[in-house]
Amino acid sequence: IAGITQAPTSQILAAGRRMTLRCTQDMRHNAMYWYRQDLGLGLRLIHYSNTAGTTGKGEVPDGYSVSRANTDDFPLTLASAVPSQTSVYFCASSETGNYGYTFGSGTRLTVV
Amino acid sequence: GQNIDQPTEMTATEGAIVQINCTYQTSGFNGLFWYQQHAGEAPTFLSYNVLDGLEEKGRFSSFLSRSKGYSYLLLKELQMKDSASYLCAVRDSNYQLIWGAGTKLIIKP
Repeated sequence: IAGITQAPTSQILAAGRRMTLRCTQDMRHNAMYWYRQDLGLGLRLIHYSNTAGTTGKGEVPDGYSVSRANTDDFPLTLASAVPSQTSVYFCASSETGNYGYTFGSGTRLTVV
Repeated sequence: GQNIDQPTEMTATEGAIVQINCTYQTSGFNGLFWYQQHAGEAPTFLSYNVLDGLEEKGRFSSFLSRSKGYSYLLLKELQMKDSASYLCAVRDSNYQLIWGAGTKLIIKP
């Protein structure tokens, strides 16, 4: 692993089903983030974690939950998927301070 | 509210120069980032400005004016591989990134 790994790459999910998107980084970055990207809109922050053991809500947290049990992993769970959660989901991480974010390759999720 | 504005789409010619503008209104300012995103791929970091002025990095330069809430990304000697979306993002007083919707840059031969 080099950087951030997201899984799955893509998924078609029935509405009402539960789904966990996985994100793992090997850079020992303190902060991690989950974004969704929709056509015509900027990246929107769902949840974030400044350090292991802590999480916070972003701009669009409803319907999503996260956990940060250790530095490397930051899974995103959709408890009961709805069609409006169809999007491309990016996980990102950063070092504390004035550094840019490193992004995973994304998960394309379609809820039908 | 917080707002980042950048043009939706721009077209330029291979070998030319293009300037992509970004204006912002945010609660606080702790730096401005530019990212490049090719279609179907993840954004990748291009530049970071926190003080006024020009930062140059090869063919790419980024400028910031904090008093005007304005930045631009300048791309020189355009290549076909520069066809991508360019995202402007501002870190606000809570150290969260606020993202613009991105500018799709189309390079023509």
